[in-house]
This record gives sequence, structure tokens and C-alpha cells, in this order.
Amino acid sequence: DTGVSQDPRHKITKRGQNVTFRCDPISEHNRLYWYRQTLGQGPEFLTYFQNEAQLEKSRLLSDRFSAERPKGSFSTLEIQRTEQGDSAMYLCASSPPAFSYNEQFFGPGTRLTVL
Amino acid sequence: AQSVTQLGSHVSVSEGALVLLRCNYSSSVPPYLFWYVQYPNQGLQLLLKYTTGATLVKGINGFEAEFKKSETSFHLTKPSAHMSDAAEYFCAVRKNSGGSNYKLTFGKGTLLTVNP
Repeated sequence: DTGVSQDPRHKITKRGQNVTFRCDPISEHNRLYWYRQTLGQGPEFLTYFQNEAQLEKSRLLSDRFSAERPKGSFSTLEIQRTEQGDSAMYLCASSPPAFSYNEQFFGPGTRLTVL
Repeated sequence: AQSVTQLGSHVSVSEGALVLLRCNYSSSVPPYLFWYVQYPNQGLQLLLKYTTGATLVKGINGFEAEFKKSETSFHLTKPSAHMSDAAEYFCAVRKNSGGSNYKLTFGKGTLLTVNP
């Protein structure tokens, strides 16, 4: 068990470009979450997948954001036409099927800088 | 709606001194409560959690927290700070039932510095 992994760890892009991040959850975890953390703030919930189904999207996830989990394993988060306000750490987390008390295991995050 | 308030964005202690990081929450239903630690440029690591049962919860690295329902608090303590404890600490809450009960709501964090 290697934990939750995210790729890339850092991404610098110019305003208006599209970016895509990948998250690989712990192998037996069927629940996957994306959070965004801006400087000086705690993480904020973006979206939640149970297997391949996206069950909730925060209003923070504008139309420029899209997340997928096509086979119920890894997930991608795409931001189109990036803006400077998108600069943040994007965190992925996963949790196992027996959900009740179980914690969410976080990956190391992808730090996005939009110039 | 749920919310978490962490009093003090920055706490500084001397090595060997008591660490006390404060967390108050607001929740419409009984919550699950968590403390996470984040080291620079890293993700979040769970320190401890309260779900049910004993209100004094012990976690990793010598940390503990006590759930006080009457005070809606879940303060984090450690008797003796170590240099390696320097990090940012986040308190989080999750509903234990009902819709969106998987969603963690975090406080803004408290940066702990430990002075030699």
C-alpha cells in the first residue's frame, strides 16, 4: 500500500491555459474526494466520487472545472482557461467502502501556480 | 451548515512546553471531529479523531484531544512540545449522518512554531 498519489506535484501555467491533474487512490478505496486549499486557508471540498459516479459537486467547482473517475480507480481534475484565482493546492483523498468512521487519506497535493 | 473556528492562526511555544491548539465547531447534527497535521508542501496526515465513546481521544505523536459537547470544543493538546511538532494543524468536522456526511469542513488552520 503506497498511499494516495498525485501527479504532478507542482504545475506552473499561464493564464488561459488548460491543466489536468491526476489522483491515484489507495487501491481498495472506492470513495474519492477533491479539495482545494488556498494560502492561509483550510482545504475546501470540491467534489466526491463513489466508484465512478460523481455524487456531489461544490459550487466552488465552476464550469471551467471538470472531474472524472472513468473506471472507478484513478481520477482526473481538469481546469480549463485557468485564471490567477485558480492558484492553490489541489488535494485528493480516498476512503474505503466501510465508510462510517473511516478517515479520509490525503495525497501530497498538486500545487498550481497561474501566472 | 457546519463550521469550524480555530482560535489563533499562529501559536508559538518553547520546546518542552505544553501545546494547546483550540478548535470550536458548529454543527446541526452530532459530528465526527478530526485533527490533521500538514508539514510544508505535503498533504494532510490524521492525528486523531472522535467518533463515539470516550471523549478523550489519544492520537499519534503524543497528541490528544477532548470532545466537550457543552462547549462545542475539541481542543488539541500535547504535554511537551518537540521541534518536530512544528507544522500547521487543522481541525475538521463531518456529520455522522444525513446528506453529504462524507464531506469534511476544515478550520483555517493554526501554525505551530516550536522555539529551542
